[in-house]
Parts: sequence; structure tokens; C-alpha cells
Amino acid sequence: QQQVKQSPQSLIVQKGGISIINCAYENTAFDYFPWYQQFPGKGPALLIAIRPDVSEKKEGRFTISFNKSAKQFSLHIMDSQPGDSATYFCAGASGGSYIPTFGRGTSLIVHP
Amino acid sequence: DVKVTQSSRYLVKRTGEKVFLECVQDMDHENMFWYRQDPGLGLRLIYFSYDVKMKEKGDIPEGYSVSREKKERFSLILESASTNQTSMYLCASSFGDRGYEQYFGPGTRLTVT
Repeated sequence: QQQVKQSPQSLIVQKGGISIINCAYENTAFDYFPWYQQFPGKGPALLIAIRPDVSEKKEGRFTISFNKSAKQFSLHIMDSQPGDSATYFCAGASGGSYIPTFGRGTSLIVHP
Repeated sequence: DVKVTQSSRYLVKRTGEKVFLECVQDMDHENMFWYRQDPGLGLRLIYFSYDVKMKEKGDIPEGYSVSREKKERFSLILESASTNQTSMYLCASSFGDRGYEQYFGPGTRLTVT
């Protein structure tokens, strides 16, 4: 049972374009939605996170949009750069278990 | 800066061997985790521990065991390695009430031949 569905599996964007990664969740107990970024040869690192009482959170070029009624959230990378090329994981977590349920990841390639 | 280190970056073992993967964190985190990462399958939780000598099964514990004798160290053990355990293994740690904010090590690429 895949509790967090992430799409697309892979994404190619030109430099300066907008990268969009979508996630949908099933568990309504989730109250924390982190995104992780993983560069080749490295472990994932927390990038940005949102709670369901907020519809949008922006940090630099990275924005999370959250739609609680649809149980969906997405990551937008504005003005995408080749240095953003990485694998991105969305996740959902609830305070009770403390353990994130990860999506399967999106491999982003930004062409120069 | 939080640092999570793993004993090996690359490891090659033979089928049937006992394999130990070691993980050490330096931030006094209560929680520690072991994941495996495979293309198209994302991060799958093998085991986790929320305290010394405590362990809980994750989603795919079969064929694995763990040990946590000290707070900073969490070991993953493959009792009898098999080829289907060839994978990237990632260790992570977090504070007790912030398990969703995980700090990952660089990973160990294990190949079982």
C-alpha cells in the first residue's frame, strides 16, 4: 500500500524553467509534509517542509503548495538551475509515529 | 552540523556471508533508522530504534537484524547475504519528537555476488 504517491518518476527541465513535482497522500493523520533532496552519491537532506494549516510555503526558489481537501501537495522549483539536478522525495508524517512515509522519488535533470 | 557517518561507502560480499553495516551519529539523537534505496522503489524502512537496546521493525525487516548498544551507534546485520539484498543502504537519525526531520548518512552501496 503506497501511502504517498509521487509523480513524475523523472523530469527534465531546461535551465530557467519551472520544475513541478506532485504528491498525493492517503493518511489523514499526517500533519507534517517534508521534502528531501538527494544529490548523486549523497544521502537525502531535508529541503523544505509544510504543515497542513498553511496552503503555501516559500523558501527562495522552492515553494510547497498544499491542498488539504484534495490531499495533495507539490514542490515548485522556480528558475530551475543545473545545480538543482537531484532526486526529490516527498513524505508525510504524523506526530504519533514520528516516522515519515516517503514517496518513491523524482529524478530531476535541469539542462543548461 | 549534524554528522551521520557510515562505515563503508562500497562493500562487496559473497552470498551467504554475514554482513555488518555500521552507522554513527554525533548529535545525541534518540532515533536512528536503516533504509534501503532501490531505483523506482524509493526509500524503504528496514528497522528503526528510538532508544538504546530498543528496535522496531520497519516495512521490510525480513533477512535483516539490528543492534543498538550505544546511543550514537546503530548497526544493520545481514545474517546470510543474498543477491536480492544488493542495494544502497542509508542510515538516518533524528531527535525523539522530530522523527520526520531526518539526517542521513552518505549511504553504503552493497553488492552481493
